[in-house]
Amino acid sequence: DAKTTQPNSMESNEEEPVHLPCNHSTISGTDYIHWYRQLPSQGPEYVIHGLTSNVNNRMASLAIAEDRKSSTLILHRATLRDAAVYYCIPTGNQFYFGTGTSLTVIP
Amino acid sequence: NAGVTQTPKFQVLKTGQSMTLQCAQDMNHEYMSWYRQDPGMGLRLIHYSVGAGITDQGEVPNGYNVSRSTTEDFPLRLLSAAPSQTSVYFCASSYQDRGTTEAFFGQGTRLTVV
Repeated sequence: DAKTTQPNSMESNEEEPVHLPCNHSTISGTDYIHWYRQLPSQGPEYVIHGLTSNVNNRMASLAIAEDRKSSTLILHRATLRDAAVYYCIPTGNQFYFGTGTSLTVIP
Repeated sequence: NAGVTQTPKFQVLKTGQSMTLQCAQDMNHEYMSWYRQDPGMGLRLIHYSVGAGITDQGEVPNGYNVSRSTTEDFPLRLLSAAPSQTSVYFCASSYQDRGTTEAFFGQGTRLTVV
């Protein structure tokens, strides 16, 4: 499974965009890039996933580098409810979580 | 549609006791997994199953057993609880679609071993 590198923590002002980076330089050609987040005292929840092309959904956008060795999760307007730990997981079937990025949203 | 249901939500065990953490899903998912999360850490995979009757080990399987007799249920057994197994346990189920998968997690079981 591909190793990932994410910042331990990031801060954002409320209503501002947030770009959460992830390096996954050992990703295999068939691995999708998944992003999950974990709100305090809850189980992780799905955010978005992609393979090669950039992806958008109601929660976020995912920008994938052309060489697929890195990706960026974009929250277009951070809210206080977005404060969570965000995990980047390149994988096929099984999920191996790293330590993720703890996002703090400042009112 | 209940999703993934874990019971109990909280449990305190004495060292050496055994118990079973229950996990049930009603989404007919093939894949089910168990994770543990220690304070300040990410989730670590304990065991997983790709279908009824099939299980395999994850990153940290020692001290835990699993079985998968039905699609819906995936219990996790602690054979002889140790303080090092104090953690929050999450169960997940997932489907596979065109080479990828989306996992749905339960709310967790907070286990303390004294």
